[in-house]
Amino acid sequence: KAGVTQTPRYLIKTRGQQVTLSCSPISGHRSVSWYQQTPGQGLQFLFEYFSETQRNKGNFPGRFSGRQFSNSRSEMNVSTLELGDSALYLCASSLATTRDTQYFGPGTRLTVL
Amino acid sequence: AQSVTQLDSQVPVFEEAPVELRCNYSSSVSVYLFWYVQYPNQGLQLLLKYLSGSTLVKGINGFEAEFNKSQTSFHLRKPSVHISDTAEYFCAVSDRSDSGYSTLTFGKGTMLLVSP
Repeated sequence: KAGVTQTPRYLIKTRGQQVTLSCSPISGHRSVSWYQQTPGQGLQFLFEYFSETQRNKGNFPGRFSGRQFSNSRSEMNVSTLELGDSALYLCASSLATTRDTQYFGPGTRLTVL
Repeated sequence: AQSVTQLDSQVPVFEEAPVELRCNYSSSVSVYLFWYVQYPNQGLQLLLKYLSGSTLVKGINGFEAEFNKSQTSFHLRKPSVHISDTAEYFCAVSDRSDSGYSTLTFGKGTMLLVSP
């Protein structure tokens, strides 16, 4: 089975712009979670989607949003980028529940200048 | 609310030596516990997880961890490390939600540095 894929792998944006990141889960996985990884804050949960519905959300401002399509692919969007949004954004897919292993993609490295 | 503490940000060790990476958690409810590894420029890979049953859990690459409920710990061990084990290791916890899903809360990570 192909693993979790994320596109693009690297992205450079300037403050005030918006960005969309994409995640394709493992075939058959219906849950997609997004995490932000920074040296200072570590790994922080952004949100999780299951069958096109947001099932859980972390403590991030409304500039961070996401969605999931009927084929389980997911996108996250960050509007009005700030310097502090520079991070590695990781996507993880799993079958359905927390008992199921989350498989992570390689991440998208976002740099905001 | 849950939290995870990985006391050591870096653990240097010589090749073929044993290693223990420490993880303590705080939670008001029963939890599931996980250890992930992250190699440079890669995503996270699951090493092992504790859901229920035997408190000693064996994972990939020769790693194992022991769940200790009274000490709220889930330390990761390997009897003999290799250079290729150099990576960052993350402990994570989630509560046993009736809905079937809850978020993963990660520790800050421990960088394992294996030298010859």
